Amino acid sequence: SQTIHQWPATLVQPVGSPLSLECTVEGTSNPNLYWYRQAAGRGLQLLFYSVGIGQISSEVPQNLSASRPQDRQFILSSKKLLLSDSGFYLCAWSTGRSGNTIYFGEGSWLTVV
Amino acid sequence: AQSVSQHNHHVILSEAASLELGCNYSYGGTVNLFWYVQYPGQHLQLLLKYFSGDPLVKGIKGFEAEFIKSKFSFNLRKPSVQWSDTAEYFCAVNAEGATNKLIFGTGTLLAVQP
Repeated sequence: SQTIHQWPATLVQPVGSPLSLECTVEGTSNPNLYWYRQAAGRGLQLLFYSVGIGQISSEVPQNLSASRPQDRQFILSSKKLLLSDSGFYLCAWSTGRSGNTIYFGEGSWLTVV
Repeated sequence: AQSVSQHNHHVILSEAASLELGCNYSYGGTVNLFWYVQYPGQHLQLLLKYFSGDPLVKGIKGFEAEFIKSKFSFNLRKPSVQWSDTAEYFCAVNAEGATNKLIFGTGTLLAVQP
């Protein structure tokens, strides 16, 4: 069966420090991969999605970037965190078929102080 | 661009009451529609989805949703809620051909009082 893991689960970082959140998927190949941010009252905001290695689409201009160095690995990064980057980040995957179910990871709480 | 609106941000019901959560989307083409649920302390998980065919979709735990194309709506219903239905509910839409890009609404927090 397929599984998705992301880490770290909780992170407290000072303003201006770098960020790296990592996500891996097991049990499937060539998945679509996603990073979402969940903020209170704002639902789930799609940040990035990827349909293949090295292919990243950015949905929202921001201080973050994403990379997909391997087929089942998706990394969310920042060179210098802002206070506004605080939030709950969710990695997710789906098969390549249009409209298929998206499966979410456990989430990572980021607090920028 | 697609968007999803959930008009009820916070709903409080007593057990056995009926539930209807509103969801409207904006997109002129063919869409796939979803309801996801997040129980306290758990992952987001799929509740039900509509791709085509019968516009009345039945999901897990007695939930159902009706796709009304003319109203661009996909409301979630349950005839009798339980305390265990307390959760946050998200409506989502994926436009056909959009490479599985799922756009979510802002969520509705449902609290069921025993």
